[in-house]
Formats: sequence, structure tokens, C-alpha cells
Amino acid sequence: QAVLTQPSSLSASPGASASLTCTLRSGISVDSYTIYWYQQKPGSPPQYLLRYKSDSDKQQGSGVPSRFSGSKDASANAGILLISGLQSEDEADYYCMIWRSSALVFGGGTKLTVL
Amino acid sequence: EVQLVESGGGLVQPGGSLRLSCAASGFSFSTYIMNWVRQAPGKGLEWVSYISSTGTKYYADSVKGRFTISRDNAKNSLYLQMNNLRDEDTAVYYCTRDVDHDYWGQGTLATVSS
Repeated sequence: QAVLTQPSSLSASPGASASLTCTLRSGISVDSYTIYWYQQKPGSPPQYLLRYKSDSDKQQGSGVPSRFSGSKDASANAGILLISGLQSEDEADYYCMIWRSSALVFGGGTKLTVL
Repeated sequence: EVQLVESGGGLVQPGGSLRLSCAASGFSFSTYIMNWVRQAPGKGLEWVSYISSTGTKYYADSVKGRFTISRDNAKNSLYLQMNNLRDEDTAVYYCTRDVDHDYWGQGTLATVSS
């Protein structure tokens, strides 16, 4: 079982909100980790969006709109990237990441389609 | 303006070697953690290696013993020496800044094929 699991795809309508999940493997508590989120558009390198550990320990990437926000769902053992007011330009791949045991781990990515 | 520019990619046969470089500018390079992250064609992101400002190094299990990360703070440069390359090492290799990976280069493509 992968350390971080992301749904492979998600579709949402312009103007709506999209909630992208990053589920940690059983036995690894989301409460213990800072979740990092990245956006990658075709043909471009990934871009840092934000990191979230708690409401008092979070950081928005430079120039990243406030409609991108992070949270956690402890009951689901998952980190969440919420994108509100979806725009066509938000169509991209989204990756989550954690630091664990002196190694970085990426999720498999979610392809977000805005249609 | 922060800039990271990778170079050194190319076509190499299995078992061969490549040395990737990343030229950094626009920030105090010597004070930052730096990383290499790769992406195989059509696939997701995979962390490869990390080097701290003081020289502590970490590697992904998939490259341990074959790849070596290093830095030259006088030249504001990061390197990745890749030996005993395998087909599955074919990827775009990105250098990234800091724990957050807050800046990424454009990447350099390393292709391992006979």
C-alpha cells in the first residue's frame, strides 16, 4: 500500500469548489505531518502551492491565490487541498507530499478537469 | 529573482553514467537545502535526493549506492552524479529549493536506453 494515496482524477465545474484528498497509509497519522501541495500544468515544472499542518502552522506559496487552501480530515486520515471558485486555468495535475523518515514521499497525483 | 537551471541530461546506455548540474541564482544558495526530484515520462513525481546547507545527504532507496548528490557553494551549483544507470532512471530531473520545494527548475531529460 502506498504511503500517500490520491484519486487519479477529479472533475468539477467552473465556479464550483474542488476538494482533493491525500490519504495517508494506515498506521501513519495525518496529525503528525505537514502536507505539501503542488500544481503541475502540461509541459511545465510543478509549482508549490502551500503547506498545511494545522490552522496555526500553515503557509501559502508566494503569489498563490487564497482560493487555494489546505486542511485535514483526521477521521479519514487525509490531507485536503480545497480549491474554491474553480477557473479553467486550475485544470492541472496536483501532487501532495510529506517528509517521512529522512525521505520525501509524493502521492501519485490527481488530474483535475474543469468542465 | 530565484532561478534554477539544470543541465547535463542526455542519452546514455544502461550501465552508463551522467552528471547533472543545477545553476542557482537570485538567493543565498549556501544557506538552503537543495533537492533533486524526477518525473518519468507520463508519470508522477519521485524524490531522488536531498542535501542540507551543511552537507547532510539523503537518498531514495531506488538510487541509493548509485547516485551521489553534491554542491559547490562557491559556484552556486548543485550536482547529481548518476552511475550504473538503468532504463527506469529515464526521467526529467528537476532541482528544487528548500524543504518546501518552493522553486523548481525547468528540468533536464535523462534517457537511458540501448
